[in-house]
Amino acid sequence: DAGVTQSPTHLIKTRGQQVTLRCSPKSGHDTVSWYQQALGQGPQFIFQYYEEEERQRGNFPDRFSGHQFPNYSSELNVNALLLGDSALYLCASSTDLLNEQYFGPGTRLTVT
Amino acid sequence: EDKVVQSPLSLVVHEGDTVTLNCSYEVTNFRSLLWYKQEKKAPTFLFMLTSSGIEKKSGRLSSILDKKELFSILNITATQTGDSAIYLCAVGWVDSNYQLIWGAGTKLIIKP
Repeated sequence: DAGVTQSPTHLIKTRGQQVTLRCSPKSGHDTVSWYQQALGQGPQFIFQYYEEEERQRGNFPDRFSGHQFPNYSSELNVNALLLGDSALYLCASSTDLLNEQYFGPGTRLTVT
Repeated sequence: EDKVVQSPLSLVVHEGDTVTLNCSYEVTNFRSLLWYKQEKKAPTFLFMLTSSGIEKKSGRLSSILDKKELFSILNITATQTGDSAIYLCAVGWVDSNYQLIWGAGTKLIIKP
């Protein structure tokens, strides 16, 4: 059973560019949450997708958007990248947010 | 404002020592508290606690929740270098079913 997978592993972009990160949930999971983790900090909730809709959103600007596909995989899009967007982006899947979430390996985004 | 505070922020001990990590929270309508271990990238699930006073154990790790005093502790006995990691605490609440609030983590370093 493949766990949560994310791609790419690392990404380097320049300010102003756009980026798309991808996530495939663990088999049997239908809910995908995205987190941003800055160095030395705990994960910050970006948003969660369920049944192809954004169900809840954290305190992130509209530059952060996402999508969930019928196979439950998900994308995170960030437009007009800022230096402060440099972070580890984690995807987590679950069947119930308040039960354990399984995390992917993350995508390390560096904005120069 | 809902918040989760972990202490200490960092801890350095020698192999064989016992450590206690703390997580305190102020969350409306608490539902569960989760502990994760984060080594290189993805956090891995350790425990989920929902009831006060019931200890959960997994090998040398154990955790307990105090819902009256609003905190949890994670104990690691006979520490090994492989226990070196960041330990994250997250709390979920019932009003919003779709978010966890995360602490900043405790960075634990085990010296041989």
